[in-house]
Amino acid sequence: QVQLQESGPGLMKPSETLSLTCTVSGGSISSYFWSWIRQPPGKGLEWIGYIYYTGNSNYNPSLKSRVTISVDTSKNQVSLKLSAVTAADTAVYYCARRSGSNDAFDIWGQGTMLTVSS
Amino acid sequence: SYELTQPLSVSVALGQTARITCGGNNIGSKNVHWYQQKPGQAPVLVIYNGSKRPSGIPERLSGSYSGYTATLTISGAQAGDEADYYCQVWDSSRVVFGGGTKLTVL
Repeated sequence: QVQLQESGPGLMKPSETLSLTCTVSGGSISSYFWSWIRQPPGKGLEWIGYIYYTGNSNYNPSLKSRVTISVDTSKNQVSLKLSAVTAADTAVYYCARRSGSNDAFDIWGQGTMLTVSS
Repeated sequence: SYELTQPLSVSVALGQTARITCGGNNIGSKNVHWYQQKPGQAPVLVIYNGSKRPSGIPERLSGSYSGYTATLTISGAQAGDEADYYCQVWDSSRVVFGGGTKLTVL
């Protein structure tokens, strides 16, 4: 079955640029929308943005100025870049697939924890 | 911007019925999805399009709409149902999550 695996640095310093990768296995990245969603410790879910496999994307207005999501169909990967990170960006970052038959997130990665600290 | 409102917490006695609400303007016109998240785990889709269950989700979990509220109902609550529950919709091509509800099974 389709599985998602996020990978990232784990620990960063303020002002650096975060790069995360979500690798899709067991299925194709094509024909789906892929989202990044984050969850600060002890808090709720926050949508960051999505990308369609063609490259069309949309972002949360609160993060739009700092976020870029891209897709590499040859590698079956979706990537997230978040610039100028601060402690407020400390969170578990999930990638998730939007279902092909409805608009719910039917498959999630296990998440990767990011800590921003000087 | 669109907002979804959930109670912070709901408690239910073992074997009884729990109802978790999700309020939003004209929510009945939207497809509401519900996710269950246990500690240290990723969210899992339990209800989509308001009332449909993905494969593998027990019939004890059901979803419905009434007025400006969507409701997730858990019948015959079990200890394993203890988790955080989030509702979610799409609005203007953006994803909106409710703040989440912690379900405690007593």
